[in-house]
Amino acid sequence: VQLVESGGGVVQPGRSLRLSCAASGFTFSDFAMHWVRQAPGKGLEWVAMISYDGSSKSFADSVKGRFTIARDNSKNTLHLQLNRLRTDDTAVYYCARDVYYYGSGNLHYWGQGTPVTVSS
Amino acid sequence: SALTQPASVSGSPGQSITISCTGTSSDLGSYNLVSWYQQHPPKAPKLIIYEGIKRPSGVSNRFSGSKSGNTASLTISGLQAEDEADYYCCSYAGSNDYWVFGGGTKLTVL
Repeated sequence: VQLVESGGGVVQPGRSLRLSCAASGFTFSDFAMHWVRQAPGKGLEWVAMISYDGSSKSFADSVKGRFTIARDNSKNTLHLQLNRLRTDDTAVYYCARDVYYYGSGNLHYWGQGTPVTVSS
Repeated sequence: SALTQPASVSGSPGQSITISCTGTSSDLGSYNLVSWYQQHPPKAPKLIIYEGIKRPSGVSNRFSGSKSGNTASLTISGLQAEDEADYYCCSYAGSNDYWVFGGGTKLTVL
């Protein structure tokens, strides 16, 4: 199982960024996927979840209405669209695979993370 | 709200330690969906316990989980130097808050 995030970088407040997570080594369409972030020196914060087929999505209150999550099962890829970015969105963003097809929150496999810095 | 964990715990090699994770009746107390993660910064977290008591394949049986009421616990027996890491609990919190993590506990092996 391998999860490889990309798309992070430095962006100004109010701008947008799109993160991607390329999955391999398992049947991507069989599992729910999540994004979790970790601000510098801080703990983990769950961000968003999408079910195996994309029919169910959920978001943390801190990002609701600003971030969207999507998946392309034909390309084994997960995306997180970050809009109206704020300085407190600065963090390493991890994609993680759930244990099940629905979102159980049991995050079995994690990528190495991609850093996002929101700064003027 | 985040689950409550002690900021730090310590133990000597060979000893056992327990890390607590306290929530409320709205999250941890209502669901058997507690997971525990080990993180050696700056690496990614690793799942060590899920659904409160289950261990993924390949995780040492020195790690065990339990839950009573609104508190979950992670016990590490036979402490080893490699266990020194940050540990996080996580619980489902219902369809409004979804999943919440604890603040993390730094384990020091003396």
